[in-house]
Amino acid sequence: KNEVEQSPQNLTAQEGEFITINCSYSVGISALHWLQQHPGGGIVSLFMLSSGKKKHGRLIATINIQEKHSSLHITASHPRDSAVYICVVNRGSTLGRLYFGRGTQLTVWP
Amino acid sequence: DAMVIQNPRYQVTQFGKPVTLSCSQTLNHNVMYWYQQKSSQAPKLLFHYYDKDFNNEADTPDNFQSRRPNTSFCFLDIRSPGLGDAAMYLCATSRTGRETQYFGPGTRLLVL
Repeated sequence: KNEVEQSPQNLTAQEGEFITINCSYSVGISALHWLQQHPGGGIVSLFMLSSGKKKHGRLIATINIQEKHSSLHITASHPRDSAVYICVVNRGSTLGRLYFGRGTQLTVWP
Repeated sequence: DAMVIQNPRYQVTQFGKPVTLSCSQTLNHNVMYWYQQKSSQAPKLLFHYYDKDFNNEADTPDNFQSRRPNTSFCFLDIRSPGLGDAAMYLCATSRTGRETQYFGPGTRLLVL
């Protein structure tokens, strides 16, 4: 079983819809990252969270440490948001040890 | 300005012919990572350096080696590439290992 589980695996939405991607993990962590990967491979780090909530533009990320769960929300989705979104956790006890979710493929149609 | 640079962006090699992929960073970060990403899969950590300290993942094949001659550069050497090693190879850096990672654009390796 993967230490980091994401859902859904694939997500299709209409432009303007509110989108939620979920991430659950089973290990103790010091931080959780949300990454965005566009076709062609380029990866961008969206958020790093250790508690609470962060907002950047139309993107909001939340984390509940007690429940070992994080969500990434996209408001007013746009076709340019189409990408793979990857949840990554950083183990608290081991420097540099990262566990990756399998990613959520998001497609937003105009 | 590019902060994590990978060269080349595309590499074609022959089965069994050694190949070296390059990563450089202008961020002066302590930690550098190499990941392998195959189609439709999440990146898989191969190894990382904290300064000069090398940390190999337990399931990284011996065929994969790495060198970090200085803070700015890190190399991935594939001694005898097999067809299964065709993938995107991503380099990333982090200031301390517990902060945001910055990814390079990747090198797509094709093995013929």
